[in-house]
Amino acid sequence: NAGVTQTPKFRVLKTGQSMTLLCAQDMNHEYMYWYRQDPGMGLRLIHYSVGEGTTAKGEVPDGYNVSRLKKQNFLLGLESAAPSQTSVYFCASSYNRGAYEQYFGPGTRLTVT
Amino acid sequence: DQQVKQNSPSLSVQEGRISILNCDYTNSMFDYFLWYKKYPAEGPTFLISISSIKDKNEDGRFTVFLNKSAKHLSLHIVPSQPGDSAVYFCAPNTGNQFYFGTGTSLTVIP
Repeated sequence: NAGVTQTPKFRVLKTGQSMTLLCAQDMNHEYMYWYRQDPGMGLRLIHYSVGEGTTAKGEVPDGYNVSRLKKQNFLLGLESAAPSQTSVYFCASSYNRGAYEQYFGPGTRLTVT
Repeated sequence: DQQVKQNSPSLSVQEGRISILNCDYTNSMFDYFLWYKKYPAEGPTFLISISSIKDKNEDGRFTVFLNKSAKHLSLHIVPSQPGDSAVYFCAPNTGNQFYFGTGTSLTVIP
């Protein structure tokens, strides 16, 4: 039972390059989330999904796209990376919202030069 | 537009004493409030939660208090232990909104 895994753990991109971050969970959770963490800002929600085939915007969605083709996977894409997207990205999943806790992956540290 | 604020970026407490971490929010529609703990280079882990219909929830050494009229919640840890040294986030949610506060870094001094 791996919980929530994220691939890759580290990545360096040049401005304008694209990449996809993969999140996988083995807990059969309906909800999945992508956050970014920046110094002094806490975690901010980028996009989330309430089930397979659905996605919704969070607080800071611009510059990112997501897909949830399979229930266990949630992909975060950067089509044209910018230095402002340098951050630590966390994926999470939960059974439901409300009091249901989110389970987090270990994070991906992305640097855009 | 910061809907969730933790105004103390850091807090130091002696081992065995009480740690009090505070969180203020502006959105009266939040109906659940969760606290997470985060160690460096790891993802956050869940600690305790409270529903907006309650004013207190307790779990072992951890107690969360909610004051809806003041839009304020606090997490009490007693007694504090060195292993509690971490960053703590409050994380309210409602419907399609999920927020995290800016975090408070707690250091428990042995």
